[in-house]
Amino acid sequence: DAGITQSPRHKVTETGTPVTLRCHQTENHRYMYWYRQDPGHGLRLIHYSYGVKDTDKGEVSDGYSVSRSKTEDFLLTLESATSSQTSVYFCAIAGGFNNEQFFGPGTRLTVL
Amino acid sequence: GENVEQHPSTLSVQEGDSAVIKCTYSDSASNYFPWYKQELGKRPQLIIDIRSNVGEKKDQRIAVTLNKTAKHFSLHITETQPEDSAVYFCAATNTGNQFYFGTGTSLTVIP
Repeated sequence: DAGITQSPRHKVTETGTPVTLRCHQTENHRYMYWYRQDPGHGLRLIHYSYGVKDTDKGEVSDGYSVSRSKTEDFLLTLESATSSQTSVYFCAIAGGFNNEQFFGPGTRLTVL
Repeated sequence: GENVEQHPSTLSVQEGDSAVIKCTYSDSASNYFPWYKQELGKRPQLIIDIRSNVGEKKDQRIAVTLNKTAKHFSLHITETQPEDSAVYFCAATNTGNQFYFGTGTSLTVIP
């Protein structure tokens, strides 16, 4: 597996609390992505980054923000978690010679 | 933006038979088409990909074909085995910035 880690791997939180998920890579890839995966919806892009401090929105960005202050770290923040944000969150990286995309192990988030 | 549709959503085959999953895309500028396999509780894993300058690519029992004119690409798995059971996702991208995914095909190989 490409050098991608996510933390935490599991989290249970309550509605209205802020939550931050971390993605860390050791591949020095340019692009980093946050997806959420829900039954029947496949993988939906939340936000992505194309460099340090360069980020853009994906198709389901409402309620989420991101930051990338270092090449290796991409943070996803839920400002005020809602039950609809219960999901599995995958980080991904891309940018090698062939620009292939590789996924992290995922974070299972439950918002009660 | 790009729109990727994937069919079928579920597929059952007997062990040893072939499986075919099809995807269509809308943006003629898309030029890279990866396929991912996701086992239950695991991350999606890249299994094969194809670029727009190639019509077919094969890797042992799996192959991918691309028809740029019709804007569709397909995954072919021959001599299926129980360990091929998983969810398969297709994707398309034209810049490498954003990858657009199909909604997945759940493949079951019956021993």
